[in-house]
Amino acid sequence: EAGVTQFPSHSVIEKGQTVTLRCDPISGHDNLYWYRRVMGKEIKFLLHFVKESKQDESGMPNNRFLAERTGGTYSTLKVQPAELEDSGVYFCASSQANSMGRDYTFGSGTRLTVV
Amino acid sequence: GQSLEQPSEVTAVEGAIVQINCTYQTSGFYGLSWYQQHDGGAPTFLSYNALDGLEETGRFSSFLSRSDSYGYLLLQELQMKDSASYFCAVRGGATNKLIFGTGTLLAVQP
Repeated sequence: EAGVTQFPSHSVIEKGQTVTLRCDPISGHDNLYWYRRVMGKEIKFLLHFVKESKQDESGMPNNRFLAERTGGTYSTLKVQPAELEDSGVYFCASSQANSMGRDYTFGSGTRLTVV
Repeated sequence: GQSLEQPSEVTAVEGAIVQINCTYQTSGFYGLSWYQQHDGGAPTFLSYNALDGLEETGRFSSFLSRSDSYGYLLLQELQMKDSASYFCAVRGGATNKLIFGTGTLLAVQP
């Protein structure tokens, strides 16, 4: 079974540019989550999709961040325009059912550097 | 709010035993999970405690005391490959999101 795939693995962009991160969850997983780890700090929740619907987007930092999940399959996270403080590692995770944290599968992340 | 505290760094030698503590404050409790993350890799699930006591999975064990809002991850027979960041996490209330601790960077030395 393929795991959670994220693309690109690394991205370096200039301040003010736009970047789109992509996440392909495990097939059949209705739940898809985005997290971010900034400067070696804790991993912070950004938002949660159930199929194509946003279940919880309380962690989105501001309106420069836009997440979509087309047809309940893959998801994209767009940052526009990017700021220096957006640098970090963006993780995607998926789970099949209501999770207690046991069946989360994370992707390897996208390391975003804004210069 | 919800928060989880862990030591920032722990250093140990190969073959030793190390304990990584986690104290938490949550509104509602749905169990404590532990994740391992190697630099550049995906966080991977290690262990989960819903009830008080010890859960053992090979060289890794996890303990929970709900009355003390405290848990720990115990790593035995340390190997160099165990050098990584370790996170405790709780479910964020009625939603499925995970709230992670501050992370502990474990360095295993020869």
